Amino acid sequence: DAMVIQNPRYQVTQFGKPVTLSCSQTLNHNVMYWYQQKSSQAPKLLFHYYDKDFNNEADTPDNFQSRRPNTSFCFLDIRSPGLGDAAMYLCATSLLGLNTEAFFGQGTRLTVV
Amino acid sequence: ELKVEQNPLFLSMQEGKNYTIYCNYSTTSDRLYWYRQDPGKSLESLFVLLSNGAVKQEGRLMASLDTKARLSTLHITAAVHDLSATYFCAVDFLNNAGNMLTFGGGTRLMVKP
Repeated sequence: DAMVIQNPRYQVTQFGKPVTLSCSQTLNHNVMYWYQQKSSQAPKLLFHYYDKDFNNEADTPDNFQSRRPNTSFCFLDIRSPGLGDAAMYLCATSLLGLNTEAFFGQGTRLTVV
Repeated sequence: ELKVEQNPLFLSMQEGKNYTIYCNYSTTSDRLYWYRQDPGKSLESLFVLLSNGAVKQEGRLMASLDTKARLSTLHITAAVHDLSATYFCAVDFLNNAGNMLTFGGGTRLMVKP
């Protein structure tokens, strides 16, 4: 059974048109993360939530926002997508602690046209 | 700033051969992960290494962690074509707000018949 579910798997959006990617989890984990992975690069952390506390990475552009309305769901909003935002977006969850690991969703591949 | 370096970044090898991928990191951490990624797919967890001297094996892959040297290795034994993929190591720096993953640059492995 899928534990971290991302929707949609593929998203095509127009340049400058706001887009939202979603992530849900059935693990009841208290931390949720969004990573961006551009072609042939490593995943890069954009931000994460510890419960309702939002933590932004210093170099995450303001164009990227996130919402976590409850434990199970987290959204990534891109306010004005540019061509450079085309990437795979990976959601992950974990339970804060010493001996835990992150569980990744299947990813959403975003294309900007 | 935590830096994670993998080498080689690209590896082409013949079936049946052995090889090792190296992952060096710059800051103390006791947790390191290895992931596999197939083209267009998300990350698949291979190994979670949680202490100095940890060694784990699954099939033809074996991972180890030396926290004093800040080095992890992923050893491939008698490679087969199905192992062709990109392999990432990721170092976990636990802080009060979650388990942050910093990824190495990835090693793209091609196993030729």
